[in-house]
Amino acid sequence: GIQVEQSPPDLILQEGANSTLRCNFSDSVNNLQWFHQNPWGQLINLFYIPSGTKQNGRLSATTVATERYSLLYISSSQTTDSGVYFCAALTGGFKTIFGAGTRLFVKA
Amino acid sequence: EAQVTQNPRYLITVTGKKLTVTCSQNMNHEYMSWYRQDPGLGLRQIYYSMNVEVTDKGDVPEGYKVSRKEKRNFPLILESPSPNQTSLYFCASSLWPGKNTYEQYFGPGTRLTVT
Repeated sequence: GIQVEQSPPDLILQEGANSTLRCNFSDSVNNLQWFHQNPWGQLINLFYIPSGTKQNGRLSATTVATERYSLLYISSSQTTDSGVYFCAALTGGFKTIFGAGTRLFVKA
Repeated sequence: EAQVTQNPRYLITVTGKKLTVTCSQNMNHEYMSWYRQDPGLGLRQIYYSMNVEVTDKGDVPEGYKVSRKEKRNFPLILESPSPNQTSLYFCASSLWPGKNTYEQYFGPGTRLTVT
């Protein structure tokens, strides 16, 4: 089946720094989504991005479907950005496969 | 307010005692799904449903059952829970995945402990 790999697994940033999170998928996918899981466990939609680039405030995402990867950019990080970031791919058979996540800690 | 609700939010039970975790959405979504989250493993899909009476296995269906008798509800049933089913469970819903606006919305999670 499709494999979804995220990197880095862990990331520590100073407040104000920028970062790039990566999501690689092993085969073509129908859709790709990015989530943030906050320290209370809540999963929050960030982007639905099967291809192209989207921006929402300090966050933006780019998916290059032909090269099977997606990137999540966080600029001017804040302590509230801490948590775990997941990407999830929808396969041709309509299963959803999550990556293992990138755990981000932003220091004040 | 558009939302996915799960009940109970927390549950401690004993091995072998049947339980049901309910999931309901008010967005008229076709696609619904159950996931479990375990440390270091991310989220893994248990079952999903494309519409009423249409369900299919995800990656970790063993020990679980689901039903989709109504569009808004998608209960998760553990007929005989075991300690290895101790986990954090999430329900999610979205429009039918073939549509361009596919986006999954998640419930708040159910933390289950099986002793």
